[in-house]
Amino acid sequence: EAEVAQSPRYKITEKSQAVAFWCDPISGHATLYWYRQILGQGPELLVQFQDESVVDDSQLPKDRFSAERLKGVDSTLKIQPAELGDSAMYLCASSSPKQGVNTEAFFGQGTRLTVV
Amino acid sequence: AQSVTQPDIHITVSEGASLELRCNYSYGATPYLFWYVQSPGQGLQLLLKYFSGDTLVQGIKGFEAEFKRSQSSFNLRKPSVHWSDAAEYFCAVGTGGGADGLTFGKGTHLIIQP
Repeated sequence: EAEVAQSPRYKITEKSQAVAFWCDPISGHATLYWYRQILGQGPELLVQFQDESVVDDSQLPKDRFSAERLKGVDSTLKIQPAELGDSAMYLCASSSPKQGVNTEAFFGQGTRLTVV
Repeated sequence: AQSVTQPDIHITVSEGASLELRCNYSYGATPYLFWYVQSPGQGLQLLLKYFSGDTLVQGIKGFEAEFKRSQSSFNLRKPSVHWSDAAEYFCAVGTGGGADGLTFGKGTHLIIQP
């Protein structure tokens, strides 16, 4: 069964260091999402890609967060410098919306980030 | 902008009893509604979705949900819960046929008593 792959599963980093997460969506899925889930909360959308283009990054803290999907397949989310408040689960999801066809997003297992 | 409210932070149910988790949404147009389940430290698994048509939708693991436009609700139900249903449940609303990013509620933590 196809699934969204994320790595690493767990990451501990020190405050002010750089950290990066990787996501490989389900093959053929054009839309890719990064969500942040703070403990005890629901996921919040950080950025959405359609192929290699960003279509929504309104909630991405652009002073320290960056995301790219250079070839329109896998994606990297980076935080530099990390802050204590960035400790959260980072979830990647993908979907394959086609005009006139309703769809759903499939989520990866997430990367649990702890900033110390 | 859309929003989702899940009024119950925690719910405790005895194994074998029925379950209803509440979800209210706010969105000006036709919503696309989802229920996801999350086990500790894991990603989200889709239980069911509503896009259009029959307002009672069936999902996996014996779950169902009913869309009530007049009440802006999409409550999740299960007639008889199992210990393995203990998890966090999230209601979400989407736009654009499901292509846009989802707005999630804060979740309901389900505890199953033996």
